[in-house]
Amino acid sequence: EIVMTQSPATLSVSPGERASLSCRASQSVTTNLAWYQQKPGQAPRLLIYGASARATGIPARFSGSGSGTEFTLTISSLQSEDFAVYYCQHYNNWPPGGTFGQGTKLEIK
Amino acid sequence: EVQLVESGGGLVQPGRSLRLSCAASGFTFDDYAMNWVRQVPGKGLEWVSGISWNTGSIGYADSVKGRFTISRDNAKNSLYLQMNSLRAEDTALYYCAKGSVYGGLMDVWGQGTTVTVSS
Repeated sequence: EIVMTQSPATLSVSPGERASLSCRASQSVTTNLAWYQQKPGQAPRLLIYGASARATGIPARFSGSGSGTEFTLTISSLQSEDFAVYYCQHYNNWPPGGTFGQGTKLEIK
Repeated sequence: EVQLVESGGGLVQPGRSLRLSCAASGFTFDDYAMNWVRQVPGKGLEWVSGISWNTGSIGYADSVKGRFTISRDNAKNSLYLQMNSLRAEDTALYYCAKGSVYGGLMDVWGQGTTVTVSS
């Protein structure tokens, strides 16, 4: 079973600054890596898939990079609505499914 | 509008059963894999189970294997999760999520239904 590890657990950043969140896989997942954003009381929202492709409607300030075992989600200039919990996920197709990381809470500094 | 609406959650005693449902609308249901994901309040996301568009491929997390059964009725645009031998650690908010280009890549989520396992 592939284990996804995110760091840090909590990241404090000021609005307008850049945030970088990390995700590591216990073995190569090639680029089958997604990022989700979850705000309190809401369902998760898909941000990034294929490690670097933005999902429909996601602002350009969100970008993803990496392949194999090391991945990064970067938010270039934080807006107030970006403070949330972010999860990475390795996803499969057959059978469908995937493993989530434990999440990184992005909070206002 | 693409929409997923879960139902069937509630309070159940340990060892008992519960069946969750997810009603899909706004997309061609039988074109896509579907998933169940759960979240203990204040904790992270845990993938529970996934099913391909034609039920030909099904997967379960180790934590539920042998106790939970996923199924779908494409004629009714519905996804189900039969949960047997429930344990306290199954207490969570259960989300239904639509697969995308990859079955486990989830691009649409419902708002969830809460399952509480307690005596």
